[in-house]
Amino acid sequence: AQTVTQSQPEMSVQEAETVTLSCTYDTSESDYYLFWYKQPPSRQMILVIRQEAYKQQNATENRFSVNFQKAAKSFSLKISDSQLGDAAMYFCAYRAQETSGSRLTFGEGTQLTVNP
Amino acid sequence: DAGVTQSPTHLIKTRGQHVTLRCSPISGHKSVSWYQQVLGQGPQFIFQYYEKEERGRGNFPDRFSARQFPNYSSELNVNALLLGDSALYLCASSYTDRGGETQYFGPGTRLLVL
Repeated sequence: AQTVTQSQPEMSVQEAETVTLSCTYDTSESDYYLFWYKQPPSRQMILVIRQEAYKQQNATENRFSVNFQKAAKSFSLKISDSQLGDAAMYFCAYRAQETSGSRLTFGEGTQLTVNP
Repeated sequence: DAGVTQSPTHLIKTRGQHVTLRCSPISGHKSVSWYQQVLGQGPQFIFQYYEKEERGRGNFPDRFSARQFPNYSSELNVNALLLGDSALYLCASSYTDRGGETQYFGPGTRLLVL
């Protein structure tokens, strides 16, 4: 079974600085997808960024970028120019390239605090 | 366009009762997934439905059941509620493009079992 591990229960960053959240995963599949979701206090789960495992190029979305290391099974999220609105719980998630079903497997989350 | 909607937003039940949670997907999305998120943990997959057919089931007891309707909305039913069923229940709808399938979540239903 696939597992996702986020080893940092809490992280903090100063406003306007950069922070990196770590995620590792375990799978025997060669083709899969990885996601970062953000969950603010409202608990609405919001998609931040997506990475296809077959793509070598790291995904970017404005201030958010990932460092995808397939061999190391590592998928970290970098947030540049941190803003107060970035404060939230961040979840790393894995999805296999399944022909039927597309369940997400989530990590335990990293609580990000942004200090003014 | 409206996002994924869920009802009710909050619910309080007592042990042994049953509950029905509802989800309406984003227009054009044909797949709906359900997740349970216990406080302090990541969401756990319960079910996925596509075109009214069950496509996947997580490690949950038979007390949990779901169905999808012709308009792609979905219901999650939980019978014989236990205290441990207290959680945020998230619904996600999804579509598939060249980059694969991406799930978009609703605001959730907070269930408290007393």
